Amino acid sequence: QKEVEQDPGPLSVPEGAIVSLNCTYSNSAFQYFMWYRQYSRKGPELLMYTYSSGNKEDGRFTAQVDKSSKYISLFIRDSQPSDSATYLCAHSVINDYKLSFGAGTTVTVRA
Amino acid sequence: SQTIHQWPATLVQPVGSPLSLECTVEGTSNPNLYWYRQAAGRGLQLLFYSVGIGQISSEVPQNLSASRPQDRQFILSSKKLLLSDSGFYLCAWSPDSGIKETQYFGPGTRLLVL
Repeated sequence: QKEVEQDPGPLSVPEGAIVSLNCTYSNSAFQYFMWYRQYSRKGPELLMYTYSSGNKEDGRFTAQVDKSSKYISLFIRDSQPSDSATYLCAHSVINDYKLSFGAGTTVTVRA
Repeated sequence: SQTIHQWPATLVQPVGSPLSLECTVEGTSNPNLYWYRQAAGRGLQLLFYSVGIGQISSEVPQNLSASRPQDRQFILSSKKLLLSDSGFYLCAWSPDSGIKETQYFGPGTRLLVL
């Protein structure tokens, strides 16, 4: 079993729709949870990170963590064509620098 | 602000040839450094990480090696490339203090072995 399972997609949504991206994890020692955005042929860019259960907002982006069910989500409101990218979830383990990454979900926002 | 550089951006090499990819970080001291490989349509595979000069940890046994000759320089090498070494190679850094788990990636090197 992989440590991090991410909904494979791809997702295609119309402009202005809400995008919902999901990951599940198996290791209870996971501490920090991150979301990265990766445009085609570019390096991943850190979007958001969070530590605790609950919601964290940053503009149109909301990261949601449910530690009891080991589930994390990223919501993108009012999606734009510029949001078209692959989104990667990642998690760290306590006292370990390494991150475990999901395989990524590719999102296309249609104008 | 911190900046991470990788070069070259693209590389086409024949099987059996050597490899040297370089990564440098600016604007921070004593970063943790990482090399990842991303195969087409797949997730990130951690290859090596380093917490200091000369300190390298290998995650995946293979014909690649890494070195950290200076605090903010990380090099990925191979003596003889294999076809399976093709991929997108990414260098990343994370801070030595604060939230050490946050990793920041470079632009990547696309390697094609023929």
